[in-house]
Amino acid sequence: AQKITQTQPGMFVQEKEAVTLDCTYDTSDPSYGLFWYKQPSSGEMIFLIYQGSYDQQNATEGRYSLNFQKARKSANLVISASQLGDSAMYFCAMREGYDYKLSFGAGTTVTARA
Amino acid sequence: EAGVAQSPRYKIIEKRQSVAFWCNPISGHATLYWYQQILGQGPKLLIQFQNNGVVDDSQLPKDRFSAERLKGVDSTLKIQPAKLEDSAVYLCASSPGGINIQYFGAGTRLSVL
Repeated sequence: AQKITQTQPGMFVQEKEAVTLDCTYDTSDPSYGLFWYKQPSSGEMIFLIYQGSYDQQNATEGRYSLNFQKARKSANLVISASQLGDSAMYFCAMREGYDYKLSFGAGTTVTARA
Repeated sequence: EAGVAQSPRYKIIEKRQSVAFWCNPISGHATLYWYQQILGQGPKLLIQFQNNGVVDDSQLPKDRFSAERLKGVDSTLKIQPAKLEDSAVYLCASSPGGINIQYFGAGTRLSVL
């Protein structure tokens, strides 16, 4: 079974607007962590934001925030005030328990337009 | 602080040839990972090292892939012989250990013809 599901293969966003990227996950472990990475065309995976399963508050990092809904098993990424440089592939990933490896979703391509 | 270094950036080989990739993690990072990313998919873990010991290689096709991490620092990933389906980006990542964030290199894009 897929551990991470990203249902939006591609999205367009206008500059200065916000965009939400969907991510749902599947785990029976009460301890887990959720990550979002950005992969521009250059290929490097850039860490954006992290949410732990026991964290009480939604994570925020600058223009990035994570809408964590534990009961629904969703961890959507919100990018506010989009910029042309936000055009990239975005991946949601999860680690479970004390297993260090990450399970990645298929990704969502974001194209920012002026 | 220098990031994760990988080389080469690109490699084109013919099937049945061998190829090797090199990774230098962030200084002091105990844990090193190799991922395979096929076009249009998310990365998939191939092997994980903790210092110079293998923690998880359950997804590594051991009949053709091998990896080592000498002295707990640099690592090499080798494919011998390569198949067409090995065409992918090979990403190296490192983390300080524990459940910390993984930091990725720019990857090596392999094309097998």
